[in-house]
Amino acid sequence: AQRVTQPEKLLSVFKGAPVELKCNYSYSGSPELFWYVQYSRQRLQLLLRHISRESIKGFTADLNKGETSFHLKKPFAQEEDSAMYYCALTDTGFQKLVFGTGTRLLVSP
Amino acid sequence: EPEVTQTPSHQVTQMGQEVILRCVPISNHLYFYWYRQILGQKVEFLVSFYNNEISEKSEIFDDQFSVERPDGSNFTLKIRSTKLEDSAMYFCASNPGQNQPQHFGDGTRLSIL
Repeated sequence: AQRVTQPEKLLSVFKGAPVELKCNYSYSGSPELFWYVQYSRQRLQLLLRHISRESIKGFTADLNKGETSFHLKKPFAQEEDSAMYYCALTDTGFQKLVFGTGTRLLVSP
Repeated sequence: EPEVTQTPSHQVTQMGQEVILRCVPISNHLYFYWYRQILGQKVEFLVSFYNNEISEKSEIFDDQFSVERPDGSNFTLKIRSTKLEDSAMYFCASNPGQNQPQHFGDGTRLSIL
């Protein structure tokens, strides 16, 4: 069965500290992995997709098929990064998204 | 930038009543989706819709639920005979085609009393 696991409900760091939000997945085929972000009172927005291999707002994520992980990283957290972060996967053809439970990132000054 | 729009933002309904949640996907998008998020839980897939028919649905999407694209712009989710456990945030999403990321609306908060 497809499953996405985000083990941390809350991650609290100070401004300037490195951040790593963990995501592990289980999927029998070759999934597409995403990170979505939801800022306070705003909609879910796509942050990253693994196939594009780009850095958005300083965030990067590398797909590790051996460890079935897609952790989200940023070397220096900013206060405006505070938000809910959801890891998600979909099968080929980009149909239904399977979400993790989300991690709330809180960056304090 | 074009957005997926959802109305209403908050719907309060008595248990047993029917409710229709409305979505206007981005105009050139062809695939449409509904998801729900019960308070404190993960976002769950309900249904996907393409070419005027359901392409996939989850086990949550039982006979109580239906979707429709009544015209060229709206995409609706109807819940018949609502139950307390239908209380959740309902998100609409769309994408222009396969291999394209989904764009989400702001959601409709449904409260069943």
